[in-house]
Amino acid sequence: AQSVTQLGSHVSVSEGALVLLRCNYSSSVPPYLFWYVQYPNQGLQLLLKYTTGATLVKGINGFEAEFKKSETSFHLTKPSAHMSDAAEYFCAVSPSGSARQLTFGSGTQLTVLP
Amino acid sequence: DTEVTQTPKHLVMGMTNKKSLKCEQHMGHRAMYWYKQKAKKPPELMFVYSYEKLSINESVPSRFSPECPNSSLLNLHLHALQPEDSALYLCASALGVGEKLFFGSGTQLSVL
Repeated sequence: AQSVTQLGSHVSVSEGALVLLRCNYSSSVPPYLFWYVQYPNQGLQLLLKYTTGATLVKGINGFEAEFKKSETSFHLTKPSAHMSDAAEYFCAVSPSGSARQLTFGSGTQLTVLP
Repeated sequence: DTEVTQTPKHLVMGMTNKKSLKCEQHMGHRAMYWYKQKAKKPPELMFVYSYEKLSINESVPSRFSPECPNSSLLNLHLHALQPEDSALYLCASALGVGEKLFFGSGTQLSVL
């Protein structure tokens, strides 16, 4: 069984500030972990994914995430927020990497304040 | 072409209507998916097609009927829907079932 917990359904940051979106997972097998972004009236777009290997994963739009097995975490960060980063962010886990077994977290709405 | 195109973008229908949602991709992807997303919630998987054959039906009510006429096209036929079926319906495709998902922008469905 697998699950994902995203801490904070809403996060607000000032433009230029650090973005930190938290994600903790549980999985009975080594997980594949994903972050997706959803802009208003759009589908989901893959930001980054962790499969195996390097634990710091770089994604699109300046985002990165670090897989920490000991903390069962996969937090998403960006050093400097931009207004265009305002969106809904979903963390997801899959035991095999297959979308058939993808479990999404409940999502975090990021607001960027001018 | 790296897009998944969904039509219509918005649909309002009555509970006795029959309508269809359409999804199209020309990336050569052989896996196609339907998801349902309620407001402020994550997407929920409904159906998976692999090589034009239905491989997963996540216990979806029969008032939703998927169809994959060819490798580029995925339809979702709707009949006798309920107001609680109102949601954003997302289509996605992937090269294969374990590959990166590409999502369409969705059809916002309202059932009156």
